[in-house]
Amino acid sequence: AQSVTQLGSHVSVSEGALVLLRCNYSSSVPPYLFWYVQYPNQGLQLLLKYTSAATLVKGINGFEAEFKKSETSFHLTKPSAHMSDAAEYFCAVSVSFGNEKLTFGTGTRLTIIP
Amino acid sequence: DTAVSQTPKYLVTQMGNDKSIKCEQNLGHDTMYWYKQDSKKFLKIMFSYNNKELIINETVPNRFSPKSPDKAHLNLHINSLELGDSAVYFCASSQDRTGTGELFFGEGSRLTVL
Repeated sequence: AQSVTQLGSHVSVSEGALVLLRCNYSSSVPPYLFWYVQYPNQGLQLLLKYTSAATLVKGINGFEAEFKKSETSFHLTKPSAHMSDAAEYFCAVSVSFGNEKLTFGTGTRLTIIP
Repeated sequence: DTAVSQTPKYLVTQMGNDKSIKCEQNLGHDTMYWYKQDSKKFLKIMFSYNNKELIINETVPNRFSPKSPDKAHLNLHINSLELGDSAVYFCASSQDRTGTGELFFGEGSRLTVL
């Protein structure tokens, strides 16, 4: 069975600073990995996904993530935080077949300090 | 146009009552899901339907009964509501069942059981 671990349930960064949200995965088969964002009182929205193509994946709103097999990691980064980035971020993992196998992490709340 | 819409957005009810949440997607997707998000933001899949056929039922009490009249609709009926059912319920859809798919989420239905 696959799983993800998000280190840090809360992360605070200053506006303009680097954003780094950590995600480590566990999977017995090559995984597909996802980052979703949830703004207050909204549903989840896909930021980016890794599906065994390029290991550096670019997503919406300037976010990117790098798949590192040796470290079993898929950390999310953004060079310069914006106030509008404040949200809950979820890492998720899936096996090659079956979206119902998508397993979410416990989320990281990102706060941006003006 | 909202891609995945849920109604109602808020639901407050007494223990023991029966309630329903409706979900519709206009994306032409084959697969729909119900997720439960608890107070700690943990997301857990409840049901998955593919072309109106139940694919997964993840250890959900039989008080919860999903119904899919067509592939664009997936409703959730809950009998004999309990305090522990208080949560945000998210409907989602994906083009198909493959693990490389993206899930599109509704805005959620916040259920409060008193």
